[in-house]
Amino acid sequence: NAGVTQTPKFRVLKTGQSMTLLCAQDMNHEYMYWYRQDPGMGLRLIHYSVGEGTTAKGEVPDGYNVSRLKKQNFLLGLESAAPSQTSVYFCASRDRENQPQHFGDGTRLSIL
Amino acid sequence: EDQVTQSPEALRLQEGESSSLNCSYTVSGLRGLFWYRQDPGKGPEFLFTLYSAGEEKEKERLKATLTKKESFLHITAPKPEDSATYLCAVRPNSGGYQKVTFGTGTKLQVIP
Repeated sequence: NAGVTQTPKFRVLKTGQSMTLLCAQDMNHEYMYWYRQDPGMGLRLIHYSVGEGTTAKGEVPDGYNVSRLKKQNFLLGLESAAPSQTSVYFCASRDRENQPQHFGDGTRLSIL
Repeated sequence: EDQVTQSPEALRLQEGESSSLNCSYTVSGLRGLFWYRQDPGKGPEFLFTLYSAGEEKEKERLKATLTKKESFLHITAPKPEDSATYLCAVRPNSGGYQKVTFGTGTKLQVIP
């Protein structure tokens, strides 16, 4: 019973490089989310999806793109990484309306 | 603007010493309040959802309560394994079900 799985767990990038973070959930949830967590700040929503083929911007979307080609997967892309994107990234999914989100264990990303 | 403030930022307890964590919130109508536990290097783990003032939920040594302005997480006779950061989050009535505002958490340390 995996729940929400994120890959990779750790990554170091140089400024200007690109990468994709993968989130997979096996709970058949419609809703999926990408957050970032920085010291002293609450989790902030980057992008989200309300179903396969849909995406929408959250609170801090600049510098990121997302895709949801399959219901179980939600990808977060950094086209040209910047040091300000050094953070821990969490993926979450949710079932029906007003239900809680369930989180993966995060990807720790450092941009040098 | 929705706000969530958690206090204290950090709390150190002796094993068996009961205490409470506070989550104060300001939202234009509350759709739901969520408590999560986060262990180091892990994602938030869902604990409770509270929907209306006066509601209470319990799980082992934890009890969550809700008023119109704040929520408390009461920890009774804590054990070292209760050490973690506890996050509070609110979902307002406005902005759809996607909008959730997280607090910065209370880091709890329980000493044997």
